[in-house]
Parts: sequence; structure tokens; C-alpha cells
Amino acid sequence: AQSVTQPDIHITVSEGASLELRCNYSYGATPYLFWYVQSPGQGLQLLLKYFSGDTLVQGIKGFEAEFKRSQSSFNLRKPSVHWSDAAEYFCAVGRNNAGNMLTFGGGTRLMVKP
Amino acid sequence: GAVVSQHPSRVICKSGTSVKIECRSLDFQATTMFWYRQFPKQSLMLMATSNEGSKATYEQGVEKDKFLINHASLTLSTLTVTSAHPEDSSFYICSASWKNPSTDTQYFGPGTRLTVL
Repeated sequence: AQSVTQPDIHITVSEGASLELRCNYSYGATPYLFWYVQSPGQGLQLLLKYFSGDTLVQGIKGFEAEFKRSQSSFNLRKPSVHWSDAAEYFCAVGRNNAGNMLTFGGGTRLMVKP
Repeated sequence: GAVVSQHPSRVICKSGTSVKIECRSLDFQATTMFWYRQFPKQSLMLMATSNEGSKATYEQGVEKDKFLINHASLTLSTLTVTSAHPEDSSFYICSASWKNPSTDTQYFGPGTRLTVL
């Protein structure tokens, strides 16, 4: 069975600083990987996804993620964090190439200091 | 982008009553809808997957008689929590997707917070 681990429950960064959120997965086949952001009162929003091809994936809002098969990781990065980035971030693995049947990690709550 | 709505956004009910939550895809036809449950400060747990016009597929450990799912049309799925109890209090989130090999992404609703007294 697939699983997703986000080792950091909370992360606090200063505005303008760089950010990296960790995600490790366990999946028997080629993984289909996603990062979502959840803000209060809003639905989960897809930041980016990896199905195949280039292992460095660009997403919305200046985010990017790199798929590293050897490390079973799909870490999310942003070079300069904005206060509006404060939210809960979820990494997920899809069970098939449609991205359906998602298994989510436990989430990382990002706080941004002024 | 695709929009998914949920109604109500928040509901409080008495123990023993049933509550219905609606999930609508507003600008696309959703061949598949998903229902998730999220406990405070925890991740989303998939409860069931429903395809339009067919019975829902429930995840292991989810009581199908307690959580009734109906996906009667391509734009509407409902989750009914029957005989609700305080332990059913949670945040319920739906998502929807359509069959498109190049853009098959789940779009999430804003969630419904259920509190059972």
C-alpha cells in the first residue's frame, strides 16, 4: 500500500526567506505525486503535480518540486516566501495515472514571520 | 479553473439525526467524485469514490450504511451521515474529476464542518 510522510508538522520561516517542505512516499509503481495547499475556508488547491518527464516541476504561485526516485522524495520549494503563503500544505500520491484515489501525507503547517 | 462547491459549509445537529451534504461541480461534468474526512490537525482520509450512476466504492473501515453516497448526476453528489453521533463530528471534503488523460486532476470543495451534539 502506498503511504506519504511529511516529516515536518510545523515550519516557520521569515518573509522573503526560502522554503523547502519535505515529502517522502512509498509506492510500488511509478508514483503520481501532487502538492496541495489548504487555506482556511477554501478548498484544497493544486500547486503542482508530477506524472512523468522532467523531474523538476514548476507550479503556481512560484512553487516548484523535485522528484527524486532514489530518495523517494518530492520536496516542495519556493525561493522567497510571502506572508500569503501561510497555510497547510499536503503532499499526496495518486494510485493511478489519473491522479485519482489520492493518499495524503499528514500535512505541514507553514507560518510566515514578518 | 474548475469550481466545486459544498453545501452547507457548516452544520450542527443533534445526536441521532441525519445530515445531508451536497457537493456540486459548477462548471464541469464530474464523472468521479470523492469524499474525504479530515479530523482536526490531521490529514484527509479518503472515505469513498463515486461514479455517476453507479454505487460508491468505500474504503476499508468506512461504514457504507452510515455514510450514504449518491451520485445521481454529473454535477451533484451527496453524502448523508445517518444517525449521526458525536464521533462523526469532522470536516468533510469532496472533490471531483473528469476523464481527461492530460488534465485528470481532482478539484476540491471548501469542505463542510459537521458538529454533532
